[in-house]
Amino acid sequence: DADVTQTPRNRITKTGKRIMLECSQTKGHDRMYWYRQDPGLGLRLIYYSFDVKDINKGEISDGYSVSRQAQAKFSLSLESAIPNQTALYFCATSDPSAGSGANVLTFGAGSRLTVL
Amino acid sequence: AQTVTQSQPEMSVQEAETVTLSCTYDTSENNYYLFWYKQPPSRQMILVIRQEAYKQQNATENRFSVNFQKAAKSFSLKISDSQLGDTAMYFCAFSSISSGSARQLTFGSGTQLTVLP
Repeated sequence: DADVTQTPRNRITKTGKRIMLECSQTKGHDRMYWYRQDPGLGLRLIYYSFDVKDINKGEISDGYSVSRQAQAKFSLSLESAIPNQTALYFCATSDPSAGSGANVLTFGAGSRLTVL
Repeated sequence: AQTVTQSQPEMSVQEAETVTLSCTYDTSENNYYLFWYKQPPSRQMILVIRQEAYKQQNATENRFSVNFQKAAKSFSLKISDSQLGDTAMYFCAFSSISSGSARQLTFGSGTQLTVLP
C-alpha cells in the first residue's frame, strides 16, 4: 500500500458542486500539506497542518477549506467548485523530527479534478 | 517570500548523453534546503536529490548531481548517461529551515525533459 493515499484519483464535477478530496497516510508524520499543480505554474500550497488541532492557510487558500480529522487524515474541500479550480491536487506529508530529512515531502499520487 | 525560477520550460536530450537543467532562487535566508523532484507521466512526485545550503559539497545521487552556487543563488541539476526513464517534468524547490517556518516547499514552474532514443 502507498504511504500517502489520495482519493479520488480522478473526478469530474459541475460548477457549484461541493467536492471533497481525501488524503490518508501511514507514515506517522505530523505535518500534512495540500498543493495544487497547474501547467506552467508548478505546485502551489493551499493549506498545511502541523497536527490535528493546527490548520494554516497557504499561498492560495481562497475557495478551499480543510479538515484534519486525525493525525493520518487530511481532507480538502471545495464548497462550491468553479472551472478555474480544475487542476491536479497533491497531498504530502513530512516528519519534523527527521533531522536533515525534516523538509523532505512524501507525496500522494495526486487527484485530478475537472470542473465543468 | 522566496521565489524559484526555472527558465527552461522544455528540454530534450539524446539517450546516453548529459543534460543540465537550470534553477535560480531568491531568498534572504542563509540556511535552507534545495530539492529537485521528478514527475514522470504517472504524475507521482519523486525526490531526485537535495542540497543543504550550509554544505559546500555538491550533492550527488548516482547519475544525478547538482551544481550549487550559493552566492549566485543557482541550483542546476545534471543528469549523466540519460535514460528513457528519465523523461519527466522536473521541479526545483526551496524550503526554509529557519525556526518557526512551516517547512513547506516553494516550487519552480518545472522543466519538461524528454529523452530521445
